[in-house]
Amino acid sequence: DQQVKQNSPSLSVQEGRISILNCDYTNSMFDYFLWYKKYPAEGPTFLISISSIKDKNEDGRFTVFLNKSAKHLSLHIVPSQPGDSAVYFCAAQVTGGGNKLTFGTGTQLKVEL
Amino acid sequence: EPEVTQTPSHQVTQMGQEVILRCVPISNHLYFYWYRQILGQKVEFLVSFYNNEISEKSEIFDDQFSVERPDGSNFTLKIRSTKLEDSAMYFCASSSWGEQFFGPGTRLTVL
Repeated sequence: DQQVKQNSPSLSVQEGRISILNCDYTNSMFDYFLWYKKYPAEGPTFLISISSIKDKNEDGRFTVFLNKSAKHLSLHIVPSQPGDSAVYFCAAQVTGGGNKLTFGTGTQLKVEL
Repeated sequence: EPEVTQTPSHQVTQMGQEVILRCVPISNHLYFYWYRQILGQKVEFLVSFYNNEISEKSEIFDDQFSVERPDGSNFTLKIRSTKLEDSAMYFCASSSWGEQFFGPGTRLTVL
């Protein structure tokens, strides 16, 4: 079941630069998308979300872009900070019903000094 | 800031034994979930629970699994007869709507 894919298992960025994490999905029924950050031995922490009726949502240093025609979303972090180093998961949902989240495989972001 | 809590943080059990994983969701949330993450794999949905009944479950959530909200605060996941392949991190989550908030997880090790 590869309905949500994160094709880059890792990404390394210098402090202060922009981090761009990508996510692709195949299920056109998905209408709500979320990004979570995860540190080892902790649960996923919610970062930012976007509804399919929007193409951009911004919260501080984090911006999520949604391209529905390409079934693609991206998370931009600017400026990147060392504390941003973690695994980032993209998740998608068909709202209503059970609200099940379908997760991608994650991208390990490393922000270097 | 309210948070989801889970106990125990680590549970070791013998194959075939029953385990109960406990969660206290955020108090004003109405939807509750269990997910798991096998080492090196992605987070997988197990079950969602609303209004005292299961609203959706995955194919992983077979007859060996059950969930319960025994009182106004706890939400439990029971595995009746554990298998080696049940070894994973189990995450509880809750939501009012939209974003789901996750607990720190219980690491289940089946020997």
